[in-house]
Amino acid sequence: LAKTTQPISMDSYEGQEVNITCSHNNIATNDYITWYQQFPSQGPRFIIQGYKTKVTNEVASLFIPADRKSSTLSLPRVSLSDTAVYYCLVGLPNKAAGNKLTFGGGTRVLVKP
Amino acid sequence: DAGITQSPRHKVTETGTPVTLRCHQTENHRYMYWYRQDPGHGLRLIHYSYGVKDTDKGEVSDGYSVSRSKTEDFLLTLESATSSQTSVYFCAISEPRGSDTGELFFGEGSRLTVL
Repeated sequence: LAKTTQPISMDSYEGQEVNITCSHNNIATNDYITWYQQFPSQGPRFIIQGYKTKVTNEVASLFIPADRKSSTLSLPRVSLSDTAVYYCLVGLPNKAAGNKLTFGGGTRVLVKP
Repeated sequence: DAGITQSPRHKVTETGTPVTLRCHQTENHRYMYWYRQDPGHGLRLIHYSYGVKDTDKGEVSDGYSVSRSKTEDFLLTLESATSSQTSVYFCAISEPRGSDTGELFFGEGSRLTVL
């Protein structure tokens, strides 16, 4: 299983950039890296996904080094509404990977005024 | 938002009673998953399904069974609930795009308390 390790929690302030690193030393060749955001009493929701180098969308960037043993989610200029738990997931939701789709403990991000 | 409905959203039951949680989707996605979420453990996969009558075990399947007789419904059954199964249960769906990427869409969760 591609076990993931993330910091338990991080504090930040409005307007700052938040970077969360996930370690996944035994990532498989075909695995993608996906990040999810979860608010209290809600299911997780997709933020961004990548395989290598850098991916950027309207809400975040994902940096993946050449060895792919870690990845960093970058949230630019966070606001109070970005306070949530962030999970990285390594694998793909397909038949070959189905039983590997277990999330790590997540990182609780608190954005302060 | 993906059309995923979980029922019931909240349930309190007693040890030893059977419980069934239902996940209903309107997206016609092939893959469906049941997760449980507990403090300090993140989301752990219980069972998953790749299609009608095609299911398999996840990381924490003991004490749980599933059934998928229709594409849109995935049922999770606790044959004899125990206090250790008190948790929040999430259903997720996905539709893989070939051998490339795919994302999970989650329901709102079902909070189960076993007394």
